[in-house]
Amino acid sequence: DIQMTQSPTSLSASVGDRITITCRASQSVDTYLNWYQQKPGKAPKVLIYAASNLESGVPSRFSGGGSGTDFTLTISSLQPEDFATYYCQQSYSTHFTFGPGTKVDL
Amino acid sequence: QVQLVESGGGVVQPGGSLRLSCAASGFTFTRNAMHWVRQAPGKGLEWVAFLRYDGNNQYYGDSVKGRFTISRDNSKNTLYLQMTSLRPEDTAMYYCAKVRYGGDQYYFDNWGQGTLVTVSS
Repeated sequence: DIQMTQSPTSLSASVGDRITITCRASQSVDTYLNWYQQKPGKAPKVLIYAASNLESGVPSRFSGGGSGTDFTLTISSLQPEDFATYYCQQSYSTHFTFGPGTKVDL
Repeated sequence: QVQLVESGGGVVQPGGSLRLSCAASGFTFTRNAMHWVRQAPGKGLEWVAFLRYDGNNQYYGDSVKGRFTISRDNSKNTLYLQMTSLRPEDTAMYYCAKVRYGGDQYYFDNWGQGTLVTVSS
């Protein structure tokens, strides 16, 4: 199975900050890499698909990059509603593994 | 709009069985692959199982393979997860998720609200 890692595990930030979360795959996943946001008690919501494509309705302050094994999710100016946990997921293989998550708090 | 509504969760003893359902509406269910994803309390997301649009080709996570079975009834627009030999570590919120795919895209674009399974004596 393809293993996914994320860093950092958690980070503390302020409104207006620019933050970057990193995701690494144990082998190449090409650009089959997605990012999800999850708030407490809610289902996950997709932000970025195919490494760098913004899902419809997602604010443009979110962006994704990378290919192969190394990927990033960047929030250009953190807003109060962005404090949540973020997960990467590979969809290259038929075991659609998620990263362990990065919790962003105030 | 797309709706996915899970049901069937509850409290079950270790070794027991449970069947989860996911009722789908607002899209052409018969053309979509579907997945189950779970989340143990306070933990991250874990992919559980995948089923193609036609009911063929099932795939399972290592932790549930041989114990869980994913299936669908396209006439009822419903996805199922039959869980047997349940263990305390299967305690989690279970979500069904719809897939959007094409070209280099494959991602879960809609999720249900989840149904909670608790395995405890």
